[in-house]
Amino acid sequence: GQQVMQIPQYQHVQEGEDFTTYCNSSTTLSNIQWYKQRPGGHPVFLIQLVKSGEVKKQKRLTFQFGEAKKNSSLHITATQTTDVGTYFCAREVAGANSKLTFGKGITLSVRP
Amino acid sequence: NAGVMQNPRHLVRRRGQEARLRCSPMKGHSHVYWYRQLPEEGLKFMVYLQKENIIDESGMPKERFSAEFPKEGPSILRIQQVVRGDSAAYFCASSPQSSEPQHFGDGTRLSIL
Repeated sequence: GQQVMQIPQYQHVQEGEDFTTYCNSSTTLSNIQWYKQRPGGHPVFLIQLVKSGEVKKQKRLTFQFGEAKKNSSLHITATQTTDVGTYFCAREVAGANSKLTFGKGITLSVRP
Repeated sequence: NAGVMQNPRHLVRRRGQEARLRCSPMKGHSHVYWYRQLPEEGLKFMVYLQKENIIDESGMPKERFSAEFPKEGPSILRIQQVVRGDSAAYFCASSPQSSEPQHFGDGTRLSIL
C-alpha cells in the first residue's frame, strides 16, 4: 500500500527522441519526489510535487502530478546522452517522520 | 557549502569482520538517513536519525547492524560479523527538516570477500 511502482525497469531510446515514464501508487500521495542517479553515482534530488495536477519544468524535463495524486510522470523532450541514468520516484510514508519509499527506478539509455 | 560526506568510498572486509561507515551531513542538516542499494535495484531505507536519537530503524536488520548519530561527529553505520550478502552500496542522505528533500552522499561501496 505504501509502495510506488515504476515499470518498465529499463528503457532505450535514440538520441533526440522524447521519453516518458510513470510512477504509480495505489494510495493517495501527499507529495512525490524525483531523483536521478548517474551510473556509478549517487541519487540527486530533481523535484518535489505537492499539489494535485501540478506541472513543473526543468529545461527539457517536465514533471507532472496526477489529478488524483496517485501517479506522477516525467517527460524528457529530445533526449541527450547526458540524460542517461536511473530515475527514481519516492514517496513519504504516511506518519513515518519523513521516511521515503523509493520505486525501483527506470534506467534510461540513450543511443547516440 | 560542502555536501554530504561519506567515507570510505570503498571498503573491503572479510567475512566475520566489522565494517564502519561514516557520514557527515550537510552543514545545518540535523536529519540523517541511511539506505542500502544492491546492483540493479532501488534504494532500501534502513534507518533515520537525528542528533543522538534513532527516529526510525524499521529498515535495519535486527542483528549485526547498528547506527548512531552522536552529538559530536559523524553518523556511523556499523555492521558486525559481515557476510557476503552485506555487499552493497550504502548511501547516507541528510535534510534540514524531516519534510525537506534529501541530499545524498557519494556512498560507500562495501565488498565482502
